[in-house]
Amino acid sequence: DSGVTQTPKHLITATGQRVTLRCSPRSGDLSVYWYQQSLDQGLQFLIQYYNGEERAKGNILERFSAQQFPDLHSELNLSSLELGDSALYFCASSAGPPGSNQPQHFGDGTRLSIL
Amino acid sequence: QKEVEQDPGPLSVPEGAIVSLNCTYSNSAFQYFMWYRQYSRKGPELLMYTYSSGNKEDGRFTAQVDKSSKYISLFIRDSQPSDSATYLCALRLSGNTPLVFGKGTRLSVIA
Repeated sequence: DSGVTQTPKHLITATGQRVTLRCSPRSGDLSVYWYQQSLDQGLQFLIQYYNGEERAKGNILERFSAQQFPDLHSELNLSSLELGDSALYFCASSAGPPGSNQPQHFGDGTRLSIL
Repeated sequence: QKEVEQDPGPLSVPEGAIVSLNCTYSNSAFQYFMWYRQYSRKGPELLMYTYSSGNKEDGRFTAQVDKSSKYISLFIRDSQPSDSATYLCALRLSGNTPLVFGKGTRLSVIA
């Protein structure tokens, strides 16, 4: 058990809808990362937060947004969903500020299925 | 050319075999090198982490980095059926940058 908790485990919805994925980092970890994993693209970095502030952005679509709350949990919001958004979404957390190269620990992901 | 190339396999070996998993990369600025193991329906789990050329050993696992060739390897000795998983290499330019993953190699160890 990595200590990173993601909910829900599985989400099924339709095109055009909006969903929110939730992540609770390991106790004491201030950095949260979101990744998308699909069969053709592999694991792709989306966005990073540190102590409530956005720190880095990857290939995140404009339809996607995220935030990290004062209690350090994070949410990834996906809107106007398309079939191609079906994927596994992982959250990872690490201790220390960006630049300290602490290892990232992953949750078990949310499987998003768009019908 | 992709930043990180990794043969997707699948790779099937008998129990007890030595397994060699590899990644090549194109950007010589990568400084940190990691291997993650991912079981089906689970998140990636950090196995090995190194930042210098050479070998790093941890039990049955050895990570090897050759920065001059831009090539990293993970060796698994005395492989077990419980090693059956997808192995992902991950690289990082610096402590401030996100991880760049290979697509993963699916390994099956047959009893």
